[in-house]
Amino acid sequence: NAGVTQTPKFQVLKTGQSMTLQCAQDMNHNSMYWYRQDPGMGLRLIYYSASEGTTDKGEVPNGYNVSRLNKREFSLRLESAAPSQTSVYFCASTSRRDTGELFFGEGSRLTVL
Amino acid sequence: AQKITQTQPGMFVQEKEAVTLDCTYDTSDQSYGLFWYKQPSSGEMIFLIYQGSYDEQNATEGRYSLNFQKARKSANLVISASQLGDSAMYFCAMRVWSNDYKLSFGAGTTVTVRA
Repeated sequence: NAGVTQTPKFQVLKTGQSMTLQCAQDMNHNSMYWYRQDPGMGLRLIYYSASEGTTDKGEVPNGYNVSRLNKREFSLRLESAAPSQTSVYFCASTSRRDTGELFFGEGSRLTVL
Repeated sequence: AQKITQTQPGMFVQEKEAVTLDCTYDTSDQSYGLFWYKQPSSGEMIFLIYQGSYDEQNATEGRYSLNFQKARKSANLVISASQLGDSAMYFCAMRVWSNDYKLSFGAGTTVTVRA
């Protein structure tokens, strides 16, 4: 069972470079999320997509853009990377049924030099 | 806005003993859910347990139980009979029903189980 798949798992960028983190889920979930994890700060929501065709800002959206390509895929783009964006990024999804627990990808570690 | 507070950055526990991880939350909503996730050193996020705000019984899942005290706005996780594999970071999280199933997370507590 693949669940939520993120690529790449590791990436090193130079300041000013751009990149896209890809996320795909095979659970037919409606809602998808991008979080970043920094030491001592837990996980903070960057952007989310409550359903196909919609996206909304989370707590820390500055410097990021997202695209909900279809029901399965939700990508996160850094247009001009900054050292402050060095972090571990998690994609997650939920069916919005039962407890509505989030299912997470394995994370993508991004370093911006 | 919702706020989750985990005041214990790190804890040590002896193998086979129980450990309680503190979590307090702040919301003005009446309908909400509380979650605990485990993050081992490998980095993945593992869902452990869930408590709804209207659930009258405390949630239990195997060796995990959630001590839910609604009036005090606390949702402490109790791990009984700790095992070496319980060494990990633990996150408390909350979702209110009005906000598109977004989870707000606390800063986390690192648990180290000693043999």
